[in-house]
Amino acid sequence: KAGVTQTPRYLIKTRGQQVTLSCSPISGHRSVSWYQQTPGQGLQFLFEYFSETQRNKGNFPGRFSGRQFSNSRSEMNVSTLELGDSALYLCASSPGQTWGNEQFFGPGTRLTVL
Amino acid sequence: QQQVKQSPQSLIVQKGGISIINCAYENTAFDYFPWYQQFPGKGPALLIAIRPDVSEKKEGRFTISFNKSAKQFSLHIMDSQPGDSATYFCAASITGNQFYFGTGTSLTVIP
Repeated sequence: KAGVTQTPRYLIKTRGQQVTLSCSPISGHRSVSWYQQTPGQGLQFLFEYFSETQRNKGNFPGRFSGRQFSNSRSEMNVSTLELGDSALYLCASSPGQTWGNEQFFGPGTRLTVL
Repeated sequence: QQQVKQSPQSLIVQKGGISIINCAYENTAFDYFPWYQQFPGKGPALLIAIRPDVSEKKEGRFTISFNKSAKQFSLHIMDSQPGDSATYFCAASITGNQFYFGTGTSLTVIP
């Protein structure tokens, strides 16, 4: 099976702009989770989508939003970018239905906000 | 608020030695505790995981020790190798897909 893919791999934006990141999960996986990874904070949970519905949400401001399509692909959007949004954004997919699902991570999108 | 606290932040071990990374949690509702390994430029990959009804789980050179009463769990890497040099994250989850991660431990194994 192909792994989790994320596009683009690198992005450079300026403050105030918005950005959309894309994640294609492993075939058959219905859950997609998004994380922000920074050196000081580690991995911070953003949100999780299952069957096109947001099932869990972390403590991030409303500037961070996401959606999932019927083919399980997911997008994450960040509006009004701030310098502190510079991070590696990771997407993880899992089957999603039962306890202890293994999450498979993509390589991430490196976002730099200037 | 960090739901899972991980230590140390960095660790240097000689080849053949034992690497030990510790994590602590507060929420007793957590019921799944995985460890992830991350190499530069890659996403984290599941290494080993444990449920709270088991005190120890071993897979090859990697062992999780779990202490439910102390709300602590640790990763032991036996016979550490230079190829084990990576960042390790512990995590905890409640019956699903919302995972709380530790802040990571950068492990360097010296040949």
